[in-house]
Amino acid sequence: DIQMTQSPSSLSASAGDRVTITCRASQGITNDLSWYQQKPGKAPKRLIYAASHLQSGVPSRFSGSGSGTEFTLTVSSLQPEDLATYYCLQYNSYPWTFGQGTKVEIK
Amino acid sequence: QVQLVESGGGVVHPGRSLRLSCAASGFTFTTFGLHWVRQNPGKGLEWVAGISYDGSSKDYADSVKGRFTISRDNSKNTVSLQMSSLRPEDTAVYYCARNDEFSSGGKYFSVGAFDIWGQGTKVTVSS
Repeated sequence: DIQMTQSPSSLSASAGDRVTITCRASQGITNDLSWYQQKPGKAPKRLIYAASHLQSGVPSRFSGSGSGTEFTLTVSSLQPEDLATYYCLQYNSYPWTFGQGTKVEIK
Repeated sequence: QVQLVESGGGVVHPGRSLRLSCAASGFTFTTFGLHWVRQNPGKGLEWVAGISYDGSSKDYADSVKGRFTISRDNSKNTVSLQMSSLRPEDTAVYYCARNDEFSSGGKYFSVGAFDIWGQGTKVTVSS
Protein backbone atom coordinates (compact mmCIF):
# COMPACT_ATOMS: atom_id res chain seq x y z
CA ASP A 1 0.00 0.00 0.00
CA ILE A 2 1.11 3.57 -0.65
CA GLN A 3 1.64 5.58 2.53
CA MET A 4 1.03 9.34 2.49
CA THR A 5 3.02 11.32 5.03
CA GLN A 6 1.59 14.79 5.53
CA SER A 7 3.31 17.60 7.42
CA PRO A 8 2.95 19.52 9.57
CA SER A 9 0.11 18.00 11.58
CA SER A 10 -0.93 21.48 12.67
CA LEU A 11 0.08 25.06 12.16
CA SER A 12 -0.89 28.49 13.38
CA ALA A 13 -0.45 31.49 11.12
CA SER A 14 -1.67 35.06 10.81
CA ALA A 15 -4.04 36.37 8.21
CA GLY A 16 -2.05 37.31 5.12
CA ASP A 17 0.70 34.74 5.75
CA ARG A 18 1.87 32.28 3.13
CA VAL A 19 1.26 28.71 4.27
CA THR A 20 2.66 25.49 2.82
CA ILE A 21 1.57 21.92 3.54
CA THR A 22 3.53 18.93 2.25
CA CYS A 23 2.60 15.36 1.38
CA ARG A 24 5.15 12.71 0.65
CA ALA A 25 4.20 9.41 -1.00
CA SER A 26 6.02 6.19 -0.13
CA GLN A 27 6.32 5.45 -3.86
CA GLY A 28 5.80 7.39 -7.06
CA ILE A 29 2.21 8.33 -7.88
CA THR A 30 2.86 10.56 -10.93
CA ASN A 31 0.39 13.43 -10.40
CA ASP A 32 -2.51 11.36 -9.01
CA LEU A 33 -3.03 13.53 -5.95
CA SER A 34 -5.80 15.79 -4.75
CA TRP A 35 -6.17 18.17 -1.80
CA TYR A 36 -9.26 18.63 0.39
CA GLN A 37 -10.38 21.20 2.90
CA GLN A 38 -12.65 20.12 5.75
CA LYS A 39 -14.27 22.64 8.04
CA PRO A 40 -15.61 21.50 11.41
CA GLY A 41 -18.79 19.46 11.11
CA LYS A 42 -18.76 19.59 7.32
CA ALA A 43 -17.95 17.22 4.48
CA PRO A 44 -14.57 17.64 2.78
CA LYS A 45 -14.32 19.91 -0.24
CA ARG A 46 -11.89 19.37 -3.11
CA LEU A 47 -9.43 22.22 -3.68
CA ILE A 48 -6.89 20.73 -6.08
CA TYR A 49 -6.83 17.68 -8.34
CA ALA A 50 -4.14 16.12 -10.52
CA ALA A 51 -1.60 17.73 -8.16
CA SER A 52 -1.89 21.25 -9.56
CA HIS A 53 -5.33 21.82 -11.09
CA LEU A 54 -7.50 24.27 -9.18
CA GLN A 55 -11.08 23.12 -8.61
CA SER A 56 -13.61 25.45 -10.19
CA GLY A 57 -14.85 28.03 -7.69
CA VAL A 58 -11.89 27.69 -5.32
CA PRO A 59 -10.05 30.97 -4.62
CA SER A 60 -6.83 31.45 -6.57
CA ARG A 61 -4.82 31.86 -3.34
CA PHE A 62 -4.82 28.06 -3.20
CA SER A 63 -2.32 26.26 -5.42
CA GLY A 64 -0.77 22.83 -5.67
CA SER A 65 2.47 21.54 -7.05
CA GLY A 66 4.61 18.45 -7.24
CA SER A 67 4.89 15.13 -9.00
CA GLY A 68 6.17 11.67 -8.20
CA THR A 69 6.54 11.53 -4.43
CA GLU A 70 6.61 15.15 -3.19
CA PHE A 71 3.59 17.46 -3.25
CA THR A 72 2.71 20.79 -1.73
CA LEU A 73 -0.42 22.79 -1.10
CA THR A 74 0.19 26.51 -0.77
CA VAL A 75 -2.11 29.23 0.47
CA SER A 76 -0.58 32.47 -0.75
CA SER A 77 -2.38 34.76 1.68
CA LEU A 78 -4.19 33.02 4.53
CA GLN A 79 -7.71 34.24 5.24
CA PRO A 80 -9.80 33.75 8.42
CA GLU A 81 -12.21 31.52 6.50
CA ASP A 82 -9.34 29.12 5.74
CA LEU A 83 -9.57 27.77 9.28
CA ALA A 84 -9.92 24.05 8.55
CA THR A 85 -8.15 20.71 8.34
CA TYR A 86 -6.49 19.89 5.02
CA TYR A 87 -5.91 16.42 3.60
CA CYS A 88 -4.07 15.02 0.63
CA LEU A 89 -5.29 11.88 -1.16
CA GLN A 90 -3.43 9.60 -3.56
CA TYR A 91 -5.60 7.88 -6.15
CA ASN A 92 -2.86 6.25 -8.18
CA SER A 93 -3.46 2.75 -6.87
CA TYR A 94 -5.77 0.91 -4.52
CA PRO A 95 -6.18 1.16 -1.65
CA TRP A 96 -6.45 4.93 -2.02
CA THR A 97 -4.86 6.64 0.96
CA PHE A 98 -5.21 9.99 2.69
CA GLY A 99 -2.57 11.92 4.53
CA GLN A 100 -3.07 12.30 8.27
CA GLY A 101 -4.33 15.87 7.92
CA THR A 102 -3.05 19.35 8.77
CA LYS A 103 -5.08 21.49 11.10
CA VAL A 104 -4.72 25.17 10.24
CA GLU A 105 -5.44 27.75 12.91
CA ILE A 106 -5.50 31.51 12.55
CA LYS A 107 -3.49 33.51 15.06
CA GLN B 1 -28.21 20.65 -8.46
CA VAL B 2 -25.54 17.98 -8.25
CA GLN B 3 -26.12 16.15 -5.01
CA LEU B 4 -25.36 13.02 -3.03
CA VAL B 5 -27.52 12.14 -0.02
CA GLU B 6 -26.58 9.34 2.35
CA SER B 7 -28.96 7.45 4.60
CA GLY B 8 -29.11 4.32 6.72
CA GLY B 9 -26.81 5.21 9.58
CA GLY B 10 -27.63 4.43 13.19
CA VAL B 11 -26.63 2.56 16.31
CA VAL B 12 -25.90 -1.15 15.95
CA HIS B 13 -24.46 -3.87 18.18
CA PRO B 14 -21.06 -5.43 17.42
CA GLY B 15 -21.35 -8.34 15.03
CA ARG B 16 -24.55 -7.07 13.45
CA SER B 17 -25.15 -5.69 9.96
CA LEU B 18 -26.19 -2.36 8.51
CA ARG B 19 -26.82 -1.11 4.99
CA LEU B 20 -25.99 2.44 3.92
CA SER B 21 -27.41 4.06 0.81
CA CYS B 22 -26.45 7.08 -1.23
CA ALA B 23 -28.92 8.70 -3.62
CA ALA B 24 -27.50 10.76 -6.47
CA SER B 25 -29.16 13.53 -8.44
CA GLY B 26 -28.30 16.32 -10.84
CA PHE B 27 -25.79 14.43 -12.98
CA THR B 28 -25.50 11.42 -15.28
CA PHE B 29 -25.08 8.72 -12.67
CA THR B 30 -23.87 6.02 -15.08
CA THR B 31 -20.73 7.95 -16.04
CA PHE B 32 -19.20 8.30 -12.57
CA GLY B 33 -17.59 5.98 -10.08
CA LEU B 34 -18.88 6.15 -6.51
CA HIS B 35 -16.92 5.63 -3.33
CA TRP B 36 -17.36 5.52 0.43
CA VAL B 37 -15.01 7.37 2.78
CA ARG B 38 -15.30 7.32 6.57
CA GLN B 39 -14.10 9.42 9.44
CA ASN B 40 -13.80 8.07 12.96
CA PRO B 41 -14.76 10.59 15.66
CA GLY B 42 -12.06 13.23 15.90
CA LYS B 43 -9.85 11.42 13.41
CA GLY B 44 -8.78 11.68 9.79
CA LEU B 45 -10.34 10.45 6.58
CA GLU B 46 -10.17 6.80 5.52
CA TRP B 47 -11.07 5.50 2.08
CA VAL B 48 -13.38 2.47 2.47
CA ALA B 49 -14.58 1.20 -0.90
CA GLY B 50 -15.20 2.18 -4.50
CA ILE B 51 -17.19 0.95 -7.48
CA SER B 52 -16.68 1.83 -11.14
CA TYR B 53 -19.26 3.64 -13.26
CA ASP B 54 -20.45 0.37 -14.81
CA GLY B 55 -20.31 -1.64 -11.59
CA SER B 56 -17.79 -4.11 -12.97
CA SER B 57 -14.86 -3.10 -10.76
CA LYS B 58 -14.94 -2.91 -6.97
CA ASP B 59 -12.15 -2.25 -4.47
CA TYR B 60 -11.98 -2.27 -0.70
CA ALA B 61 -9.74 -1.16 2.13
CA ASP B 62 -8.05 -4.04 3.90
CA SER B 63 -9.84 -3.05 7.12
CA VAL B 64 -13.26 -3.88 5.60
CA LYS B 65 -12.46 -6.50 2.97
CA GLY B 66 -14.66 -9.57 3.40
CA ARG B 67 -17.09 -7.71 5.67
CA PHE B 68 -18.35 -4.80 3.52
CA THR B 69 -19.86 -4.97 0.03
CA ILE B 70 -20.36 -2.02 -2.29
CA SER B 71 -22.99 -2.12 -5.02
CA ARG B 72 -24.87 0.24 -7.28
CA ASP B 73 -28.25 0.36 -8.97
CA ASN B 74 -27.97 2.44 -12.10
CA SER B 75 -31.74 2.32 -12.63
CA LYS B 76 -32.31 4.04 -9.27
CA ASN B 77 -29.19 6.25 -9.16
CA THR B 78 -28.10 4.76 -5.87
CA VAL B 79 -24.98 3.21 -4.42
CA SER B 80 -25.03 1.07 -1.30
CA LEU B 81 -22.61 -0.21 1.29
CA GLN B 82 -23.64 -3.45 2.98
CA MET B 83 -21.72 -3.71 6.25
CA SER B 84 -21.61 -6.96 8.19
CA SER B 85 -19.73 -8.27 11.23
CA LEU B 86 -19.51 -4.70 12.45
CA ARG B 87 -16.86 -3.77 15.02
CA PRO B 88 -16.59 -0.82 17.39
CA GLU B 89 -13.76 0.55 15.22
CA ASP B 90 -16.23 0.87 12.33
CA THR B 91 -17.88 3.71 14.27
CA ALA B 92 -17.61 6.73 11.99
CA VAL B 93 -19.33 9.21 9.77
CA TYR B 94 -19.61 7.60 6.34
CA TYR B 95 -19.46 9.82 3.28
CA CYS B 96 -20.43 8.97 -0.27
CA ALA B 97 -18.24 10.66 -2.90
CA ARG B 98 -18.25 10.93 -6.68
CA ASN B 99 -15.24 9.96 -8.75
CA ASP B 100 -14.71 11.10 -12.33
CA GLU B 101 -13.05 8.21 -14.14
CA PHE B 102 -12.42 6.62 -17.49
CA SER B 103 -11.67 3.12 -18.70
CA SER B 104 -8.72 2.05 -20.81
CA GLY B 105 -7.43 -1.43 -21.52
CA GLY B 106 -9.86 -2.92 -19.04
CA LYS B 107 -8.63 -0.75 -16.19
CA TYR B 108 -10.21 2.29 -14.59
CA PHE B 109 -8.41 5.60 -14.03
CA SER B 110 -9.54 8.51 -11.91
CA VAL B 111 -9.43 12.01 -13.34
CA GLY B 112 -9.17 13.68 -9.95
CA ALA B 113 -10.91 11.63 -7.26
CA PHE B 114 -13.72 13.16 -5.25
CA ASP B 115 -15.30 16.33 -6.62
CA ILE B 116 -18.70 15.88 -4.96
CA TRP B 117 -19.39 14.62 -1.43
CA GLY B 118 -22.55 13.85 0.48
CA GLN B 119 -23.23 15.27 3.93
CA GLY B 120 -22.44 11.97 5.66
CA THR B 121 -24.34 9.47 7.77
CA LYS B 122 -23.25 8.46 11.26
CA VAL B 123 -22.72 4.84 12.24
CA THR B 124 -22.17 3.86 15.87
CA VAL B 125 -21.20 0.29 16.74
CA SER B 126 -21.68 -0.26 20.43
CA SER B 127 -23.13 -2.77 22.87
